[in-house]
Amino acid sequence: GIQVEQSPPDLILQEGANSTLRCNFSDSVNNLQWFHQNPWGQLINLFYIPSGTKQNGRLSATTVATERYSLLYISSSQTTDSGVYFCAVSSNDYKLSFGAGTTVTVRA
Amino acid sequence: DTGVTQSPTHLIKTRGQQVTLRCSPISGHKSVSWYQQVLGQGPQFIFQYYEKEERGRGNFPDRFSARQFPNYSSELNVNALLLGDSALYLCASSSTGYEQYFGPGTRLTVT
Repeated sequence: GIQVEQSPPDLILQEGANSTLRCNFSDSVNNLQWFHQNPWGQLINLFYIPSGTKQNGRLSATTVATERYSLLYISSSQTTDSGVYFCAVSSNDYKLSFGAGTTVTVRA
Repeated sequence: DTGVTQSPTHLIKTRGQQVTLRCSPISGHKSVSWYQQVLGQGPQFIFQYYEKEERGRGNFPDRFSARQFPNYSSELNVNALLLGDSALYLCASSSTGYEQYFGPGTRLTVT
């Protein structure tokens, strides 16, 4: 199956800092989603981005499908941005394969 | 609009027992998927149903089964529970099977 690698595994930020999370995948994809998992376990949709660039407030994402990677940018981080960020992809089927996640801690 | 709902929120079972978890998709969504998330890992795909038919199955034993009802809600059944089945079980719905929206999950503890 398709392999998904996320980096870094852990990220500690001061409030107001900017950061970049990376997702590499091993095959061509027809779906790529970024999620934020809250402390209660729910996965919150951030972006559906199999290719191209999208922005939503302080978050933006870019997927370069031909080079098999995606980036999630967090600008002016806030303590509420803390949590685990997952990248998930699917190839020629509908099942999402998740990376191991990046744990982000934003300190006040 | 109501999002994906799951019940129960938490569940404690004993080894060897059976459990049924329930999921209602977003209104208008015809696809439901189930995922298992063990502590410290990303979710793992278990099943996807679309229009009441199984469209995909992950690498899980036959103790795991699921079905989708005419109203597109779904149940996940796990028989002969093992300690290793303790996890957060997540349900996701989709209108196409691609972009998926997740529910709050059911946290299962097997003792």
